Amino acid sequence: GDSVTQMEGPVTLSEEAFLTINCTYTATGYPSLFWYVQYPGEGLQLLLKATKADDKGSNKGFEATYRKETTSFHLEKGSVQVSDSAVYFCALSDRDGGATNKLIFGTGTLLAVQP
Amino acid sequence: DTGVSQNPRHKITKRGQNVTFRCDPISEHNRLYWYRQTLGQGPEFLTYFQNEAQLEKSRLLSDRFSAERPKGSFSTLEIQRTEQGDSAMYLCASSLGSSPLHFGNGTRLTVT
Repeated sequence: GDSVTQMEGPVTLSEEAFLTINCTYTATGYPSLFWYVQYPGEGLQLLLKATKADDKGSNKGFEATYRKETTSFHLEKGSVQVSDSAVYFCALSDRDGGATNKLIFGTGTLLAVQP
Repeated sequence: DTGVSQNPRHKITKRGQNVTFRCDPISEHNRLYWYRQTLGQGPEFLTYFQNEAQLEKSRLLSDRFSAERPKGSFSTLEIQRTEQGDSAMYLCASSLGSSPLHFGNGTRLTVT
């Protein structure tokens, strides 16, 4: 079945460092891809998404490009802040058109940014 | 947009007891999802409603679990005869059609 694999954490960075969190997927169709973020004590929030190959999702300085040839959707940010400390989840969903649109998540990557 | 609301935030129960959680989705959202998240893992899909119809159930959802969405608005998730393995965070999400899912803050269940 469909699945998502993301790099294990924790990832510990100093403020203003460059961030990459790797995510690869396995899917039979043409899924949409998402990054969700979970701040301490809060619910999951959508960070960014991409719905087709070569699309780039971006938000709050984070970016991820849908790479069909490598089945990847790596999350990047050029300069992290302490406030970016959170757990980041990569996820995929079936395209709509009768599908449930349910999400399949990776295991999450904890990011800790130190001042 | 008041967001997805889940109650209670925390529930501690003894093994063998029944528990019920409630989810109030964003008001215009027709789709509602339940997920379970254990420590160090990503959320796992449990079940899905479109309006009041339950259209998909994961094999993770044993016969001790039942979910309802009687009027296509709020939903309840009941676990009968709880077991220690049921301890987890139970997440509710909603969406309008194929729009991205919006998640609530979850109900943390601890079975002692």
